Amino acid sequence: NAGVMQNPRHLVRRRGQEARLRCSPMKGHSHVYWYRQLPEEGLKFMVYLQKENIIDESGMPKERFSAEFPKEGPSILRIQQVVRGDSAAYFCASSPEGNYGYTFGSGTRLTVV
Amino acid sequence: DQQVKQNSPSLSVQEGRISILNCDYTNSMFDYFLWYKKYPAEGPTFLISISSIKDKNEDGRFTVFLNKSAKHLSLHIVPSQPGDSAVYFCAAILNNAGNMLTFGGGTRLMVKP
Repeated sequence: NAGVMQNPRHLVRRRGQEARLRCSPMKGHSHVYWYRQLPEEGLKFMVYLQKENIIDESGMPKERFSAEFPKEGPSILRIQQVVRGDSAAYFCASSPEGNYGYTFGSGTRLTVV
Repeated sequence: DQQVKQNSPSLSVQEGRISILNCDYTNSMFDYFLWYKKYPAEGPTFLISISSIKDKNEDGRFTVFLNKSAKHLSLHIVPSQPGDSAVYFCAAILNNAGNMLTFGGGTRLMVKP
């Protein structure tokens, strides 16, 4: 039973490009969460999704950021027109329904140059 | 406004001694608390948790204490081992707010052989 799979592990984008981060939850987990860790800081909640539904996006910037968790396939965090301040580690986690038992992926480290 | 704070960015302890990591929170509506351990270039891994109806939870070398009146929790590791060297994050869940975690900024623990 594979854990939470995130890809790519490292992503380099030039300012103005788009970044797409993928997350495949653990088998049987229907809840996906995205967190961002800026350098020298803790993890900050971005968005909470279930299949085809955004449950809570209160932590996600209103502009340029979007997330989806389609019926088939991985969850995608999309950042349009990236800026240097978007450079961070982005972690995805999944949990079974109604359970606090998060499992985190290894993260995607985004570097904007 | 940081609702969960870890005021010590780092802690150094001798192998075999006790490590005490502290965490303070401001929101009295938090009802579940967790500790995560994070190695470089990996995602956080769950360590131990405690519900707000308890004041202590123990799992092997790890014990979490919760003082609700002081809005303070601590993680005790005894005896500390070099493999415990990592960044430790405390996190809290708000009552009836889904499964969103609010993280502290982390404490880097170094256990010296």
